[in-house]
Amino acid sequence: EAQVTQNPRYLITVTGKKLTVTCSQNMNHEYMSWYRQDPGLGLRQIYYSMNVEVTDKGDVPEGYKVSRKEKRNFPLILESPSPNQTSLYFCASSLWEGSYSPLHFGNGTRLTVT
Amino acid sequence: ILNVEQSPQSLHVQEGDSTNFTCSFPSSNFYALHWYRWETAKSPEALFVMTLNGDEKKKGRISATLNTKEGYSYLYIKGSQPEDSATYLCAPKGGSEKLVFGKGTKLTVNP
Repeated sequence: EAQVTQNPRYLITVTGKKLTVTCSQNMNHEYMSWYRQDPGLGLRQIYYSMNVEVTDKGDVPEGYKVSRKEKRNFPLILESPSPNQTSLYFCASSLWEGSYSPLHFGNGTRLTVT
Repeated sequence: ILNVEQSPQSLHVQEGDSTNFTCSFPSSNFYALHWYRWETAKSPEALFVMTLNGDEKKKGRISATLNTKEGYSYLYIKGSQPEDSATYLCAPKGGSEKLVFGKGTKLTVNP
């Protein structure tokens, strides 16, 4: 089944404790992206990747890192999480960058930083 | 960053009603527009990708139109059912910009 798999679904952590949210897609998509969803705001892009070893900042990249060493995987790294990173996170992929190719979303990761 | 407005923010309708909502975006330098449906506790799912002025797309009881000259898209649902309850997101893209998501219209269909 074609899908984007994120793990974990739920995560509670403390300020400063490094964490990684994994994202994997099995559709051979070139484009992958991370978004965060906060109440009253639209989905905001954190980082994106056009292909292996090609990553770039989205609209809200501060406090996050990503890597794209393999086509299928695009982990999101929080080196030193802070409470303002408490949010719902989505990984998404598409055949190629954005416009004509719809995004396929993972199931989301709800992160709480205390 | 593109300014995207979706209206209304929320909508309650009765089962069987037809409804529509709007996505507004800057008309200059338009490239494409996506519609997504997002059910509670699930992830957004793509409904339509629209690119040409005058485009009309249809999927079952849901359809969408696009007017790039005036900068809006309408999403229509005919004969709403409780399973249509969801938040509907639009995401336009300007020429050199990335997709920008609106805040969505939350639809509740009462049985």
